[in-house]
Amino acid sequence: QSALTQPASVSGSPGQSITISCSGTSSDVGGYKYVSWYQQHPDKAPKLMIYEVSNRPSGVSSRFSGSKSGNTASLTISGLQAEDEADYYCSSYTTSTSQVFGTGTKVTVL
Amino acid sequence: QVQLVESGGGVVQPGRSLRLSCSASGFTFSGFAMHWVRQAPGKGLEWVAFISYDGSNKYYADSVKGRFTISRDNSKNALSLQMNSLRTEDTAVYYCARDGSSWFWWIDFWGQGTLVTVSS
Repeated sequence: QSALTQPASVSGSPGQSITISCSGTSSDVGGYKYVSWYQQHPDKAPKLMIYEVSNRPSGVSSRFSGSKSGNTASLTISGLQAEDEADYYCSSYTTSTSQVFGTGTKVTVL
Repeated sequence: QVQLVESGGGVVQPGRSLRLSCSASGFTFSGFAMHWVRQAPGKGLEWVAFISYDGSNKYYADSVKGRFTISRDNSKNALSLQMNSLRTEDTAVYYCARDGSSWFWWIDFWGQGTLVTVSS
């Protein structure tokens, strides 16, 4: 199972909105509503930000939103803040009864 | 609050074995499926293994199939990963993680991880 494709880096100024894409296939992203997104600060464990494409867990800021079109999912961070600077990973359930993660995107707040 | 604490990491020679453990607290362990996920130094996340809430279903990444075994003891709130025939490419931080859905769909809590280094 190949990793889902994400841009290596995305940057934005405080207050701006950014979008991170996550490209897969019909065997993973395109075939299921089970896309999730994780935030990881340096030397920390990942944190769930979005599940089932667009649902936010309790406690996650509404500035984070998710969507999907075909084989590509997206995470949008609006009103970018310094604390959002981190690595972000998408993940999807697959037809092989497995999970596949994205390649990861480093978000930089300028 | 949910807590997952991994242990058992260390330095091991290629071809040898290592057993990782994860102690769970703050939730009803027997009601949740669990995963192991790893992250090589400076690299991305890689899913390793899954076990259902009762241990009856287990799935593995192709990269570890036949070498790693996931297991759980619900009476002790404990998750394990037996790693045999270790390779240098198995070097990574290994995370114990709770499945937040009814089946395999997403991970909602992660431990802090334990580092496994495979080197001669």
